[in-house]
Formats: sequence, structure tokens, C-alpha cells
Amino acid sequence: GAGVSQSPRYKVAKRGQDVALRCDPISGHVSLFWYQQALGQGPEFLTYFQNEAQLDKSGLPSDRFFAERPEGSVSTLKIQRTQQEDSAVYLCASSLGFRWQLTLMNTEAFFGQGTRLTVV
Amino acid sequence: TQLLEQSPQFLSIQEGENLTVYCNSSSVFSSLQWYRQEPGEGPVLLVTVVTGGEVKKLKRLTFQFGDARKDSSLHITAAQPGDTGLYLCAGARTGGTSYGKLTFGQGTILTVHP
Repeated sequence: GAGVSQSPRYKVAKRGQDVALRCDPISGHVSLFWYQQALGQGPEFLTYFQNEAQLDKSGLPSDRFFAERPEGSVSTLKIQRTQQEDSAVYLCASSLGFRWQLTLMNTEAFFGQGTRLTVV
Repeated sequence: TQLLEQSPQFLSIQEGENLTVYCNSSSVFSSLQWYRQEPGEGPVLLVTVVTGGEVKKLKRLTFQFGDARKDSSLHITAAQPGDTGLYLCAGARTGGTSYGKLTFGQGTILTVHP
């Protein structure tokens, strides 16, 4: 597709269960971001990839959160031993990034529809 | 920690009214982006402002970037029910080791009643 695709759209997990959230960025986009959004709030940064390299994971809330992008395209956000406080919408965004000189145009981010995670 | 403060958090108005949403920060950003998000969807980019003092218009929406590139506003003229949604401002830094990571405000939930 032409946009950023995330799956699943909705996930209900029992506390303690592991989950994996998938993001298919726009083809050719170098930069990929994961954000976490609580209900009615703005998204908060989790982690950033430039191609397959994870250059910033400063926003990951604990070591239960792990993200990868092994071939520089599809990314997976994994949450181990989920807790109720992990319930949120997880958004993926991609941008052209550093393919050329860093400019305004290639830092504009395009978001997927998100995965709503509910931990019960 | 939110470095961008948006106000108001909630806005409920009648169709045809005008409104302004503010986004303020103590930090300087390379650019500031405004997004609109509907329930169950991801944020959709409305506009990016880059130059201090810049004003951009998108139909009934007017966006302004402060002279010092620390604050911005979104003004909607003659609001319509279709404008209902969550409006988000987000600052980006692209200098040095920055790469376009966005810092979001907490959002303004706008409801326009017919």
C-alpha cells in the first residue's frame, strides 16, 4: 500500500503475556519511529531506526520493551510480560530521513493507524 | 514530560464559531507541525511551519509560527462539524545529531456541534 500499515489494529492481552506489534513503513523511507499514545493525549516517543540501526531507544519505558528492524523495512515492537499500564495505542511513523540531505521535506512523518493494546 | 504545552485541552463550540489553539514551549524547534487525529486513526499532517513569523493558510485554517520559533497557533474560521477531532502540535529538531524526532503537545480535543 501507499501508506504506513500497522497490524494488528487491536490486541487484547492477558497480563503477563508477550505481544508483538508490526509496522510496514512507506517503501523507501529510511527513518522509522514508534510512539505510544495514551487516551486523549499526545503521542510520546519510544524509539527511532535509521534503516536497520536503532539509533535512539531513550523513550522505551522498561527493558520489557524491545524493537527491531532487521532488514531496514518492516519493524516489530515487542512487549514482554505485559502490564496494565502498557495499555495504549502504539503508533508507527516513517519519513524519508537521511536518504538525501536532511531537509524539511524528508523529516515530515507519516503515521500508521496504530495498534490499540488493551492489557486485562 | 511534555515540552510543548497546548491550550485549551478541550474546546466545545457551535458550528460557525471561530477558535484558536495555542502551542507554547520554552525550547526552540527547527520546525513545528500540526496534526489532526480522528478516533481510531493515526495523526494526519496538516501543515509544517519553519520560519519565525511564518503564517500559512489552509482553507479555513490559519497557522502561525512565533518569531522566536518557540510557539505556534492554529486558528479555525467558521468551524464545521467535520473539524471535530484531536489537534496536535509537534516540534522537530533537525540540527546536529537530531533526526526529526517529534515532541508532541498533549493535544486539543475539539468538538463542533451542528
